[in-house]
Amino acid sequence: GENVEQHPSTLSVQEGDSAVIKCTYSDSASNYFPWYKQELGKRPQLIIDIRSNVGEKKDQRIAVTLNKTAKHFSLHITETQPEDSAVYFCAAANTGNQFYFGTGTSLTVIP
Amino acid sequence: EAGVAQSPRYKIIEKRQSVAFWCNPISGHATLYWYQQILGQGPKLLIQFQNNGVVDDSQLPKDRFSAERLKGVDSTLKIQPAKLEDSAVYLCASSLSDGEKLFFGSGTQLSVL
Repeated sequence: GENVEQHPSTLSVQEGDSAVIKCTYSDSASNYFPWYKQELGKRPQLIIDIRSNVGEKKDQRIAVTLNKTAKHFSLHITETQPEDSAVYFCAAANTGNQFYFGTGTSLTVIP
Repeated sequence: EAGVAQSPRYKIIEKRQSVAFWCNPISGHATLYWYQQILGQGPKLLIQFQNNGVVDDSQLPKDRFSAERLKGVDSTLKIQPAKLEDSAVYLCASSLSDGEKLFFGSGTQLSVL
């Protein structure tokens, strides 16, 4: 089955700086890569996603890049704000809609 | 649009007791998932349904866990008997069909004492 690795496990940045979270996957059949934000005690919320036919996608301060050859994808958050503090999960999904999640990155934005 | 509904929100039981969780997916979503999320970890798939058929239950501990999705709409997940290591948040999620976005419910936080 698919194996998704995520780094770093914790990340602290100053407000206004950028944050980058990286994930790798093992199954070349994976073709959909969403990112979820989970605040304490709440459900994971989809914040951005990318499909395998696209190399980069941006939505305001959030962007995701995908390198299919190297089997890795990254989340970039620019101009970080305290409300960006949360746990972020990457995931990889295949054509059978089976989603496999990374272990999460706890992001802290220091005001 | 209503989201994925789950109940109960919290449950505390003693080991060896049984417990059941309920999930109602977003209307029209054919695919339903149950995930287990242990504190500090990512969601781990327990079972995936497509309508009322099981697509993947390879990580479901079948000696104690069972799940059903009668009529292809809502679903129940049962644990019998519970163990201490079952303490986790049980998340239900749904998607419209293959290749579509996954939406999560608020989860049931289970504590086994």
